[in-house]
Amino acid sequence: EAQVTQNPRYLITVTGKKLTVTCSQNMNHEYMSWYRQDPGLGLRQIYYSMNVEVTDKGDVPEGYKVSRKEKRNFPLILESPSPNQTSLYFCASSGTRAETGQPQHFGDGTRLSIL
Amino acid sequence: GESVGLHLPTLSVQEGDNSIINCAYSNSASDYFIWYKQESGKGPQFIIDIRSNMDKRQGQRVTVLLNKTVKHLSLQIAATQPGDSAVYFCAENTGGFKTIFGAGTRLFVKA
Repeated sequence: EAQVTQNPRYLITVTGKKLTVTCSQNMNHEYMSWYRQDPGLGLRQIYYSMNVEVTDKGDVPEGYKVSRKEKRNFPLILESPSPNQTSLYFCASSGTRAETGQPQHFGDGTRLSIL
Repeated sequence: GESVGLHLPTLSVQEGDNSIINCAYSNSASDYFIWYKQESGKGPQFIIDIRSNMDKRQGQRVTVLLNKTVKHLSLQIAATQPGDSAVYFCAENTGGFKTIFGAGTRLFVKA
């Protein structure tokens, strides 16, 4: 089954304790992206990756890091989490073609609470 | 700034009626638009898309209309069913690989 898998699904942690949210896709997609979803704000893009070792900032990258060492994995790293990073996070992937734009496949989300 | 927004945050329709969800975008350079459906506890799910060289695209029970003159996008759902109850997001590709989402519209379907 084609899917995007995120772990953990839920996490409660404390300010300053480094954490990593993993994301893996089994569709051989080149493009992967991280979003955060907050009430009334929709989804905002944090980082995206066009292919292995190629990443770029989205609209809200502050406080986050990513890496793309393998095509299937795109972890989101919070080096020193703060309460304003409490949110619902989604990972997504899509294939790429010559023209821009393809629908993205989303994981089921990771709810982070940072106290 | 550039944004994608929605006119109505909540829409309530009777089962069997048609639903229309609207979206305004401000980036005239956007060339690809997508509608997603998000059910409780799940990630957004692709419904239908349209490129800027088209005005209308139809799927199964859904139609997307694009009016580039007024930068307006709409999603029409025919014969709305209880299973259509969800939050609907429009999104635009602003060129390259960036995607901007609207705030979402919650659709309630009354039986």
